[in-house]
Amino acid sequence: AQSVSQHNHHVILSEAASLELGCNYSYGGTVNLFWYVQYPGQHLQLLLKYFSGDPLVKGIKGFEAEFIKSKFSFNLRKPSVQWSDTAEYFCAVIAAGGADGLTFGKGTHLIIQP
Amino acid sequence: AAGVIQSPRHLIKEKRETATLKCYPIPRHDTVYWYQQGPGQDPQFLISFYEKMQSDKGSIPDRFSAQQFSDYHSELNMSSLELGDSALYFCASSDRDRANYGYTFGSGTRLTVV
Repeated sequence: AQSVSQHNHHVILSEAASLELGCNYSYGGTVNLFWYVQYPGQHLQLLLKYFSGDPLVKGIKGFEAEFIKSKFSFNLRKPSVQWSDTAEYFCAVIAAGGADGLTFGKGTHLIIQP
Repeated sequence: AAGVIQSPRHLIKEKRETATLKCYPIPRHDTVYWYQQGPGQDPQFLISFYEKMQSDKGSIPDRFSAQQFSDYHSELNMSSLELGDSALYFCASSDRDRANYGYTFGSGTRLTVV
């Protein structure tokens, strides 16, 4: 079964700062990768996803992520964060065949200070 | 576009009571997943159904049961509720053939056991 590790549990940034949240996965085969965002009191929303092709994927709200296969990583980035980006961010992985279902990392709580 | 619908949005129950949570998947999605997210925790997979049959089982307590009906909606039944069952319960749906493309999550049911 696959597993996901998110390096930072809590991140505090000022507005306009650049963001990078780390995500590493463990699985012996091909995977599809996702970043979900959960705003306070709300449900999980898909930010972006990687299936194949260009390893740099762009998502909603100015977020992007880069899949580096050799490092088993899928880090989330945003050049300039806003106060409204305050949320919990979850990296998730699923085996390409869908076996074992969707597995989430522990999440990163991002706080943006005005 | 239609999304995953969960009801109720909020539920307060006393210890040892029972609760039933409902999930209506996206039309034409044949697979439903239930996740439990405790305070400050990542979503934990409970159980999934495909074509009205249980397809995978995660960390679902024996006190809980679930089923998927002919119209593909699913219900999570929880009995002998404990304080530790207080959590956000998410339902997600997918087309099984495209499950590895990710799941769409509902808004969740926040269960509080007092």
